[in-house]
Amino acid sequence: AQSVTQLDSQVPVFEEAPVELRCNYSSSVSVYLFWYVQYPNQGLQLLLKYLSGSTLVKGINGFEAEFNKSQTSFHLRKPSVHISDTAEYFCAVSDRNNFNKFYFGSGTKLNVKP
Amino acid sequence: GAVVSQHPSRVICKSGTSVKIECRSLDFQATTMFWYRQFPKKSLMLMATSNEGSKATYEQGVEKDKFLINHASLTLSTLTVTSAHPEDSSFYICSAREAGTSGRTNEQFFGPGTRLTVL
Repeated sequence: AQSVTQLDSQVPVFEEAPVELRCNYSSSVSVYLFWYVQYPNQGLQLLLKYLSGSTLVKGINGFEAEFNKSQTSFHLRKPSVHISDTAEYFCAVSDRNNFNKFYFGSGTKLNVKP
Repeated sequence: GAVVSQHPSRVICKSGTSVKIECRSLDFQATTMFWYRQFPKKSLMLMATSNEGSKATYEQGVEKDKFLINHASLTLSTLTVTSAHPEDSSFYICSAREAGTSGRTNEQFFGPGTRLTVL
């Protein structure tokens, strides 16, 4: 089974500053990687995904993530955050051979301050 | 595209009663639907996986007689919390995986969640 680690439970940042949310996963098998955002009392919205190809993936709302196979990481970045980016962010991994199973990290609360 | 709805969005019930939550894929057919539970300030925990027309597969530690799952069609799955107790209070989220061979079959599309409060 996979395990997904989001090292930071909370990340405070000022508006217009850059941010990186970290995600590491355990297994060396081929995986699909996802980042989701959750606003209070809402479901999960897909920000971006890595399936294959270029290791730098661009998503919605100006977010991007880089798949690093050697470090088994998939860190999420945004060069300039907005107040509206305040939310919980979840990294998820699924095994290419069994993509019914999604493994979620514990989440990172991004708190953007004015 | 790929919209998943849940109904109700919020429900309050008395202890001992049963509550049914619906999950619908609105613009696609879902081979597989998933039910998650999310505790406050915690991640999502997969409860069960359901395939249309067959019995759900429950994760270890999830009581299948308490959390009844029915996936009667390619667009609808239901979760019934039977004899609910206060400890069942939680945020329940469903997701769906698209049938067929489109490029979206390796994704899960999430519903908006249902907040269950058992008094």
